[in-house]
Amino acid sequence: NAGVTQTPKFQVLKTGQSMTLQCAQDMNHEYMSWYRQDPGMGLRLIHYSVGAGITDQGEVPNGYNVSRSTTEDFPLRLLSAAPSQTSVYFCASSYSKWAGGLAGHEQYFGPGTRLTVT
Amino acid sequence: AQSVTQPDIHITVSEGASLELRCNYSYGATPYLFWYVQSPGQGLQLLLKYFSGDTLVQGIKGFEAEFKRSQSSFNLRKPSVHWSDAAEYFCAVGSSGSARQLTFGSGTQLTVLP
Repeated sequence: NAGVTQTPKFQVLKTGQSMTLQCAQDMNHEYMSWYRQDPGMGLRLIHYSVGAGITDQGEVPNGYNVSRSTTEDFPLRLLSAAPSQTSVYFCASSYSKWAGGLAGHEQYFGPGTRLTVT
Repeated sequence: AQSVTQPDIHITVSEGASLELRCNYSYGATPYLFWYVQSPGQGLQLLLKYFSGDTLVQGIKGFEAEFKRSQSSFNLRKPSVHWSDAAEYFCAVGSSGSARQLTFGSGTQLTVLP
């Protein structure tokens, strides 16, 4: 298994440009999520999905869109990039929402995408 | 709302010394608790996790953590630190709802002196 993969690893955008960060997992996980990491702030949840066709907002959703058409993929779209979106973005997945206990809550993280908006 | 506090932004220890990283959480029910480690330029790796049972949890790389409900703490420990342990460490609490949201602390940067 490749686990959770993210592309690209690095990206530079100009203010106002749009782009999509790709995330894929091959573990048949139902739950997927996007976090952003900023210095001194830990990771904050942007959007999450509990299964194909179902998405919801996290703590910091503004300026980002998601969709989940398949179990494997969960792309994150920046509609009009702003310098405040300069960050490292992590995608994560976990077991089926029906898995109880710790197995249902342990999240597997991708390697991250470092985004700079100028 | 759940929250996590890691009061130490940066800790420096000598190689071979013991280590304790502090984590305090706020959550209304029994929490799912995690410690992750992040090496420079890398993703997050799970060190250990806790939900119930024995309050002393063993993880990978020789780390352990102790859950203390009365203190709302989940401190990470290692008896003897190795230079390769230099990294950033994150404590996280997971919600029990369908969101499966992880709330992270702001992290503790560990420096290991030779």
